[in-house]
Amino acid sequence: GQQLNQSPQSMFIQEGEDVSMNCTSSSIFNTWLWYKQDPGEGPVLLIALYKAGELTSNGRLTAQFGITRKDSFLNISASIPSDVGIYFCAGPLGGTSYGKLTFGQGTILTVHP
Amino acid sequence: SAVISQKPSRDICQRGTSLTIQCQVDSQVTMMFWYRQQPGQSLTLIATANQGSEATYESGFVIDKFPISRPNLTFSTLTVSNLSPEDSSIYLCSEGLATDTQYFGPGTRLTVL
Repeated sequence: GQQLNQSPQSMFIQEGEDVSMNCTSSSIFNTWLWYKQDPGEGPVLLIALYKAGELTSNGRLTAQFGITRKDSFLNISASIPSDVGIYFCAGPLGGTSYGKLTFGQGTILTVHP
Repeated sequence: SAVISQKPSRDICQRGTSLTIQCQVDSQVTMMFWYRQQPGQSLTLIATANQGSEATYESGFVIDKFPISRPNLTFSTLTVSNLSPEDSSIYLCSEGLATDTQYFGPGTRLTVL
């Protein structure tokens, strides 16, 4: 099946540091999505990428859609305590029906003040 | 994006019973989906809730265990039947207005004793 391998599994950083996490797949994806999940909440969409090579920013967040369409990364600059949470990459299952997503394993981010 | 609400937000159930989870969207959406997030895990798609027809289930999920209703374009229910402790998870509904971008409800946290 289409699996997304996300790394690292967890990160412990100091406030103000930059963070980078990535997602790879053995299959080609036409869309890459990055979500953040806070405890007790559903995932919130951070960035959506639709074209190979696309680089998109959302405030301190920047994500890129890899040229091979098999990878994506998410960077967070100048981290703050509220960046704490679980970050997931996701892509559409099967490449056909939209909205059916497969998710990476998640990256747990801890930010020390 | 549409606003998605779920009821209940959490429940504790006895094994052998069933729990029905409601998902309400504040606008009409074509597609609604149900996901499961087991403790410490990522999200896994259970099924697509189709308006006016039977739900479409992913591999490993069956209608007898997870019956789904979608009576209109703003509402869906997921029932988790014959509960066992292994069903303890967060259940999330989601909708997509276009392409592969998905927005999620806050989730229902189920604990089975």
